[in-house]
Amino acid sequence: NAGVTQTPKFRILKIGQSMTLQCTQDMNHNYMYWYRQDPGMGLKLIYYSVGAGITDKGEVPNGYNVSRSTTEDFPLRLELAAPSQTSVYFCASSPGQGGKTQYFGPGTRLLVL
Amino acid sequence: AQTVTQSQPEMSVQEAETVTLSCTYDTSESDYYLFWYKQPPSRQMILVIRQEAYKQQNATENRFSVNFQKAAKSFSLKISDSQLGDAAMYFCAYRRVSRDDKIIFGKGTRLHILP
Repeated sequence: NAGVTQTPKFRILKIGQSMTLQCTQDMNHNYMYWYRQDPGMGLKLIYYSVGAGITDKGEVPNGYNVSRSTTEDFPLRLELAAPSQTSVYFCASSPGQGGKTQYFGPGTRLLVL
Repeated sequence: AQTVTQSQPEMSVQEAETVTLSCTYDTSESDYYLFWYKQPPSRQMILVIRQEAYKQQNATENRFSVNFQKAAKSFSLKISDSQLGDAAMYFCAYRRVSRDDKIIFGKGTRLHILP
C-alpha cells in the first residue's frame, strides 16, 4: 500500500490564483481530513469527510472547498489564493471513529506571493 | 470547546537519557482518545502512541510511555534511552468519540537530542 499520497509537494501561487491539492489513499478508509500547519503551530482542521459524498467544515474552512466523489480521493480547492493561505497542508485518512489512527500524507507546502 | 496545551516549546536531552514532554487538555467529555505524534524534519506526521481515556493503564510502545492522569487532564510522554532519531516536533492530540472525529492538536514541543 502507498498509504496517503499528496501532490504537489511544493507550489508557489500568485495572489488571486486558484489550485487544487490532490489527496489519494489506497487503504479503503472512509474518513479523510485536510489540515493546515502554520509555522510553529499545530495542525488545524480545514475540512473532513466521513464517506463518499459527505463533507463537513472543520475549524478553518474559509477560502477552501472540498469534494469527495470517491472513497479514495479527497481534493482540496483553493479559490482566490491569499498570503494568509501560505502553509503546509496535510491530508489524512482513518478507517473509523474514535481511537482509530489517522494516517497522514507527506504534506504539500504552499507559498502564496 | 476542547483545548490541548503543550507548555514547553522546546526541550533538549542528552543522548541515552530520559525526557518527559508535558501535555494538558481541557474537555467535558468522559470518553475520548489521546495521541502523541512525531513530526521529523521530513514533516511526515507519525503516530507515536495513543491512549484510550477509559483505560487506567498507561500505554507503552517500546521506549515511549505515557503518564495519563485523567482527573488532572494531563497526558505526558516519556522517552527513555533517547536516540538521535528522536529529534523532532512532538504534538499532543485529543480526539473525542463522536461522528465528526475531529482531532485537536497542541502547538508542539521541539525536542533536541544532544550527542
